[in-house]
Amino acid sequence: NAGVTQTPKFRILKIGQSMTLQCAQDMNHNYMYWYRQDPGMGLKLIYYSVGAGITDKGEVPNGYNVSRSTTEDFPLRLELAAPSQTSVYFCASRDGTQETQYFGPGTRLLVL
Amino acid sequence: GENVEQHPSTLSVQEGDSAVIKCTYSDSASNYFPWYKQELGKRPQLIIDIRSNVGEKKDQRIAVTLNKTAKHFSLHITETQPEDSAVYFCAASNAGGYQKVTFGTGTKLQVIP
Repeated sequence: NAGVTQTPKFRILKIGQSMTLQCAQDMNHNYMYWYRQDPGMGLKLIYYSVGAGITDKGEVPNGYNVSRSTTEDFPLRLELAAPSQTSVYFCASRDGTQETQYFGPGTRLLVL
Repeated sequence: GENVEQHPSTLSVQEGDSAVIKCTYSDSASNYFPWYKQELGKRPQLIIDIRSNVGEKKDQRIAVTLNKTAKHFSLHITETQPEDSAVYFCAASNAGGYQKVTFGTGTKLQVIP
């Protein structure tokens, strides 16, 4: 099992550009989450999904969109990048019968 | 919504000493409290968790205590080692369902050899 994987590891974007952060898991987990972690801070939930075709907003969804067409993949889309979106983004997944969330390695995003 | 406060923000201890990190939560409906360790540049990893029907849980050098009445929970690390140096996050959530997890702001623990 590769667990939760994320690509890219690091990206620099110009203001106004768009990009998709990829997240995939091979554990057949129903629940998937996107968090952002600003320097010196905890993780804040952006979006989550309880299964293919079902997504909902978390604490800080503005400026982001998600989709969940398969159980494995949960991409995060930034349409118009802003400096405030400079952060480290973590994807996580969880089996519905357990509480433990498994995190991906993160994507570091710098918007200039 | 849930609010989790974590103290201290930084903690330095001598190797072999104990470290204690404290958290409070606001939502009495929260019933699951995980602790994550995050090494520099790495992903958060679960180190221990506790449910609201348990007052204390221990795993080798790590223990967590929960006071539901006061809405406090704490992480205790005994006999600290340099490899314990990391940022530790507490969190609170409603186990079951989609499990919205609210994280504390983290404690940077430095163990001095």
